[in-house]
Amino acid sequence: GQQLNQSPQSMFIQEGEDVSMNCTSSSIFNTWLWYKQDPGEGPVLLIALYKAGELTSNGRLTAQFGITRKDSFLNISASIPSDVGIYFCAGPYSGGGADGLTFGKGTHLIIQP
Amino acid sequence: EAEVAQSPRYKITEKSQAVAFWCDPISGHATLYWYRQILGQGPELLVQFQDESVVDDSQLPKDRFSAERLKGVDSTLKIQPAELGDSAMYLCASSLGTAVAAFFGQGTRLTVV
Repeated sequence: GQQLNQSPQSMFIQEGEDVSMNCTSSSIFNTWLWYKQDPGEGPVLLIALYKAGELTSNGRLTAQFGITRKDSFLNISASIPSDVGIYFCAGPYSGGGADGLTFGKGTHLIIQP
Repeated sequence: EAEVAQSPRYKITEKSQAVAFWCDPISGHATLYWYRQILGQGPELLVQFQDESVVDDSQLPKDRFSAERLKGVDSTLKIQPAELGDSAMYLCASSLGTAVAAFFGQGTRLTVV
Protein backbone atom coordinates (compact mmCIF):
# COMPACT_ATOMS: atom_id res chain seq x y z
CA GLY A 1 0.00 0.00 0.00
CA GLN A 2 0.92 3.65 -0.16
CA GLN A 3 3.27 4.99 2.47
CA LEU A 4 3.29 8.58 3.68
CA ASN A 5 6.42 9.81 5.39
CA GLN A 6 6.20 12.94 7.48
CA SER A 7 9.10 14.96 8.78
CA PRO A 8 10.14 16.05 11.20
CA GLN A 9 8.59 13.66 13.69
CA SER A 10 8.54 16.43 16.31
CA MET A 11 9.45 20.09 16.55
CA PHE A 12 10.32 22.18 19.57
CA ILE A 13 10.11 25.87 18.72
CA GLN A 14 9.76 29.26 20.37
CA GLU A 15 6.52 31.21 20.15
CA GLY A 16 6.63 33.54 17.15
CA GLU A 17 8.85 31.29 15.05
CA ASP A 18 7.88 30.02 11.63
CA VAL A 19 7.34 26.27 11.16
CA SER A 20 7.88 24.05 8.14
CA MET A 21 6.99 20.39 7.78
CA ASN A 22 6.63 18.08 4.84
CA CYS A 23 5.16 14.84 3.66
CA THR A 24 6.34 12.48 0.93
CA SER A 25 4.63 9.51 -0.64
CA SER A 26 5.84 6.40 -2.43
CA SER A 27 3.33 6.98 -5.23
CA ILE A 28 1.59 9.83 -7.00
CA PHE A 29 -1.32 11.49 -5.21
CA ASN A 30 -4.07 13.61 -6.77
CA THR A 31 -5.15 15.09 -3.46
CA TRP A 32 -3.22 16.24 -0.43
CA LEU A 33 -4.88 17.09 2.85
CA TRP A 34 -3.46 18.56 6.03
CA TYR A 35 -5.11 17.99 9.41
CA LYS A 36 -4.41 19.11 12.97
CA GLN A 37 -5.29 16.93 15.94
CA ASP A 38 -5.47 18.03 19.56
CA PRO A 39 -5.18 15.43 22.36
CA GLY A 40 -8.34 13.37 22.72
CA GLU A 41 -10.04 14.97 19.70
CA GLY A 42 -10.60 14.02 16.10
CA PRO A 43 -8.45 15.51 13.30
CA VAL A 44 -9.56 18.90 12.01
CA LEU A 45 -9.09 19.73 8.35
CA LEU A 46 -6.73 22.65 7.78
CA ILE A 47 -6.08 22.77 4.04
CA ALA A 48 -7.06 20.68 1.02
CA LEU A 49 -4.96 20.63 -2.18
CA TYR A 50 -6.28 19.20 -5.44
CA LYS A 51 -3.84 20.36 -8.12
CA ALA A 52 -0.09 19.87 -8.60
CA GLY A 53 1.76 23.10 -7.85
CA GLU A 54 -1.19 24.53 -5.95
CA LEU A 55 -0.35 26.89 -3.10
CA THR A 56 -3.18 27.49 -0.61
CA SER A 57 -3.34 29.58 2.54
CA ASN A 58 -5.58 29.46 5.58
CA GLY A 59 -4.70 32.34 7.86
CA ARG A 60 -1.14 31.82 9.04
CA LEU A 61 -0.99 28.40 7.41
CA THR A 62 0.21 27.80 3.87
CA ALA A 63 0.38 24.44 2.12
CA GLN A 64 1.73 23.44 -1.26
CA PHE A 65 1.05 20.47 -3.53
CA GLY A 66 4.44 19.41 -4.91
CA ILE A 67 4.84 19.39 -8.68
CA THR A 68 6.04 15.77 -8.63
CA ARG A 69 2.69 14.87 -6.98
CA LYS A 70 4.67 12.87 -4.44
CA ASP A 71 5.11 15.51 -1.78
CA SER A 72 3.44 18.35 0.06
CA PHE A 73 4.55 21.04 2.48
CA LEU A 74 2.88 22.89 5.34
CA ASN A 75 4.19 26.15 6.74
CA ILE A 76 2.95 28.01 9.81
CA SER A 77 4.04 31.61 10.23
CA ALA A 78 4.48 33.39 13.56
CA SER A 79 3.50 30.40 15.71
CA ILE A 80 1.25 30.91 18.74
CA PRO A 81 0.52 28.59 21.68
CA SER A 82 -2.73 27.25 20.18
CA ASP A 83 -0.73 25.86 17.23
CA VAL A 84 0.47 23.08 19.55
CA GLY A 85 -0.74 19.69 18.39
CA ILE A 86 -0.09 16.92 15.91
CA TYR A 87 -0.19 17.74 12.21
CA PHE A 88 -1.05 14.96 9.78
CA CYS A 89 -0.82 14.84 6.02
CA ALA A 90 -3.23 12.55 4.20
CA GLY A 91 -3.99 11.42 0.69
CA PRO A 92 -6.30 9.02 -1.14
CA TYR A 93 -5.64 5.38 -0.42
CA SER A 94 -6.22 3.02 -3.26
CA GLY A 95 -7.39 -0.27 -1.90
CA GLY A 96 -10.33 -2.47 -2.73
CA GLY A 97 -11.39 -0.08 -5.49
CA ALA A 98 -12.15 2.75 -3.08
CA ASP A 99 -10.40 5.99 -2.13
CA GLY A 100 -10.19 6.33 1.60
CA LEU A 101 -7.45 8.41 3.13
CA THR A 102 -4.06 7.16 4.22
CA PHE A 103 -2.30 9.22 6.86
CA GLY A 104 1.28 9.93 7.77
CA LYS A 105 2.45 9.36 11.34
CA GLY A 106 2.25 13.04 12.13
CA THR A 107 4.51 15.91 13.14
CA HIS A 108 4.21 16.80 16.82
CA LEU A 109 4.56 20.56 17.29
CA ILE A 110 5.58 21.82 20.72
CA ILE A 111 5.88 25.53 21.41
CA GLN A 112 7.99 26.83 24.24
CA PRO A 113 6.85 30.18 25.65
CA GLU B 1 -21.96 24.40 11.79
CA ALA B 2 -22.43 20.86 10.44
CA GLU B 3 -20.34 18.22 12.12
CA VAL B 4 -19.89 14.49 12.42
CA ALA B 5 -21.44 13.17 15.63
CA GLN B 6 -20.01 10.14 17.44
CA SER B 7 -21.00 8.36 20.61
CA PRO B 8 -19.97 7.43 23.14
CA ARG B 9 -16.91 9.64 23.64
CA TYR B 10 -15.33 7.11 25.98
CA LYS B 11 -15.90 3.40 26.50
CA ILE B 12 -14.28 0.98 28.90
CA THR B 13 -15.06 -2.68 28.38
CA GLU B 14 -13.74 -5.99 29.54
CA LYS B 15 -12.07 -8.28 27.06
CA SER B 16 -14.37 -10.78 25.39
CA GLN B 17 -17.32 -8.39 25.74
CA ALA B 18 -19.14 -6.79 22.82
CA VAL B 19 -18.91 -3.07 22.15
CA ALA B 20 -20.56 -0.77 19.61
CA PHE B 21 -19.90 2.72 18.36
CA TRP B 22 -22.31 5.04 16.57
CA CYS B 23 -21.69 7.74 13.97
CA ASP B 24 -23.97 10.31 12.35
CA PRO B 25 -22.23 11.95 9.38
CA ILE B 26 -22.67 15.45 8.03
CA SER B 27 -26.03 15.71 6.28
CA GLY B 28 -25.73 14.97 2.58
CA HIS B 29 -22.38 13.21 2.81
CA ALA B 30 -22.62 9.97 0.88
CA THR B 31 -19.21 8.64 1.90
CA LEU B 32 -18.60 7.49 5.46
CA TYR B 33 -15.37 6.11 6.92
CA TRP B 34 -14.39 4.35 10.11
CA TYR B 35 -10.78 4.74 11.19
CA ARG B 36 -8.79 3.33 14.08
CA GLN B 37 -6.00 5.37 15.62
CA ILE B 38 -3.47 3.84 17.96
CA LEU B 39 -1.69 6.26 20.28
CA GLY B 40 1.23 7.89 18.49
CA GLN B 41 0.11 6.84 15.02
CA GLY B 42 -1.99 8.30 12.26
CA PRO B 43 -5.55 7.06 11.66
CA GLU B 44 -5.86 3.80 9.72
CA LEU B 45 -8.86 3.06 7.52
CA LEU B 46 -11.07 0.18 8.67
CA VAL B 47 -14.08 0.47 6.38
CA GLN B 48 -15.56 2.83 3.81
CA PHE B 49 -19.21 3.18 2.81
CA GLN B 50 -20.72 4.80 -0.23
CA ASP B 51 -24.35 5.35 0.79
CA GLU B 52 -25.37 2.02 2.33
CA SER B 53 -22.80 -0.09 0.48
CA VAL B 54 -19.38 -1.15 1.71
CA VAL B 55 -16.81 -0.16 -0.90
CA ASP B 56 -13.67 -1.10 1.07
CA ASP B 57 -13.37 -3.26 4.15
CA SER B 58 -10.05 -4.84 3.26
CA GLN B 59 -8.47 -3.63 6.52
CA LEU B 60 -11.37 -4.61 8.77
CA PRO B 61 -10.66 -7.66 10.98
CA LYS B 62 -13.83 -9.42 9.96
CA ASP B 63 -13.57 -12.22 12.50
CA ARG B 64 -14.50 -9.76 15.24
CA PHE B 65 -15.40 -6.42 13.63
CA SER B 66 -18.55 -5.56 11.74
CA ALA B 67 -19.92 -2.31 10.35
CA GLU B 68 -23.24 -1.33 8.87
CA ARG B 69 -24.95 1.71 7.40
CA LEU B 70 -28.39 0.32 6.78
CA LYS B 71 -30.19 3.43 5.51
CA GLY B 72 -27.15 5.15 4.08
CA VAL B 73 -27.08 7.75 6.84
CA ASP B 74 -25.79 6.83 10.31
CA SER B 75 -23.48 3.91 10.92
CA THR B 76 -22.52 1.45 13.64
CA LEU B 77 -19.18 -0.25 14.19
CA LYS B 78 -19.19 -3.33 16.40
CA ILE B 79 -16.46 -5.40 17.99
CA GLN B 80 -17.24 -8.84 19.38
CA PRO B 81 -15.38 -10.12 21.28
CA ALA B 82 -13.15 -7.20 22.25
CA GLU B 83 -9.45 -7.90 22.80
CA LEU B 84 -6.86 -5.93 24.73
CA GLY B 85 -5.21 -4.87 21.48
CA ASP B 86 -8.40 -3.16 20.35
CA SER B 87 -7.79 -0.29 22.76
CA ALA B 88 -7.57 2.77 20.52
CA MET B 89 -9.42 5.84 19.29
CA TYR B 90 -12.15 4.99 16.80
CA LEU B 91 -12.85 7.82 14.43
CA CYS B 92 -15.72 8.34 12.03
CA ALA B 93 -15.42 10.68 9.06
CA SER B 94 -17.65 11.70 6.17
CA SER B 95 -17.21 13.40 2.83
CA LEU B 96 -19.25 14.39 -0.19
CA GLY B 97 -17.37 11.87 -2.30
CA THR B 98 -14.18 9.90 -2.56
CA ALA B 99 -10.70 11.38 -2.88
CA VAL B 100 -11.90 14.66 -1.38
CA ALA B 101 -11.60 16.22 2.04
CA ALA B 102 -13.16 14.18 4.84
CA PHE B 103 -14.43 15.67 8.09
CA PHE B 104 -13.94 13.81 11.34
CA GLY B 105 -15.97 13.39 14.48
CA GLN B 106 -14.47 13.70 17.97
CA GLY B 107 -13.91 9.96 18.15
CA THR B 108 -14.61 7.24 20.68
CA ARG B 109 -11.75 6.33 23.00
CA LEU B 110 -11.99 2.59 23.70
CA THR B 111 -10.15 0.96 26.56
CA VAL B 112 -10.29 -2.82 26.85
CA VAL B 113 -9.34 -4.19 30.27
